[in-house]
Amino acid sequence: GAVVSQHPSRVICKSGTSVKIECRSLDFQATTMFWYRQFPKKSLMLMATSNEGSKATYEQGVEKDKFLINHASLTLSTLTVTSAHPEDSSFYICSAEGSGAVPYGYTFGSGTRLTVV
Amino acid sequence: GDSVTQMEGPVTLSEEAFLTINCTYTATGYPSLFWYVQYPGEGLQLLLKATKADDKGSNKGFEATYRKETTSFHLEKGSVQVSDSAVYFCALRSGNTGKLIFGQGTTLQVKP
Repeated sequence: GAVVSQHPSRVICKSGTSVKIECRSLDFQATTMFWYRQFPKKSLMLMATSNEGSKATYEQGVEKDKFLINHASLTLSTLTVTSAHPEDSSFYICSAEGSGAVPYGYTFGSGTRLTVV
Repeated sequence: GDSVTQMEGPVTLSEEAFLTINCTYTATGYPSLFWYVQYPGEGLQLLLKATKADDKGSNKGFEATYRKETTSFHLEKGSVQVSDSAVYFCALRSGNTGKLIFGQGTTLQVKP
């Protein structure tokens, strides 16, 4: 149980376009979802925290107009990278927390490798 | 603020060697502590956790003990395998904010 599905696993897009990444909780209700960014050989940086039905809370230094987060239901959160540029290329990972048989300490998606060309 | 510091890698070991990856933390309140593993190109998997002082987390031969007196949560395994090669992250969950704070990660390479 407690599976988080993240899609797509890899995406290549042209500079200036937008990309949407989905994060779904498959067998539990995710009341809170977290979005992280990981640079090569670096740790994970928390970008934002979203609670179902409310606006996301962004960490300092993260542009909320560039990284749009929507958490419209208890099983789905999306991250949209708007007007992507090569410097947005990175590995993005979501994680979720919620009720039910969820291991304490979050459940993570498998990540999305974004390459902007 | 809260922080986690891990030993720098990469750590290179021969198969069946003993593994220790050091992790120390700074936190206010009473954090929970975690170790995660990340295989190439994948997301994170929870390896083990401890929620209070003196707790020992264990899984797949790995173990770590929550030491409040030394603010440490070192990861150990008695006999590593090639399949253990991965990046290991120590993390704490802030008792105040609920956020996960990660260390910088330690790459483990196990050679046959």
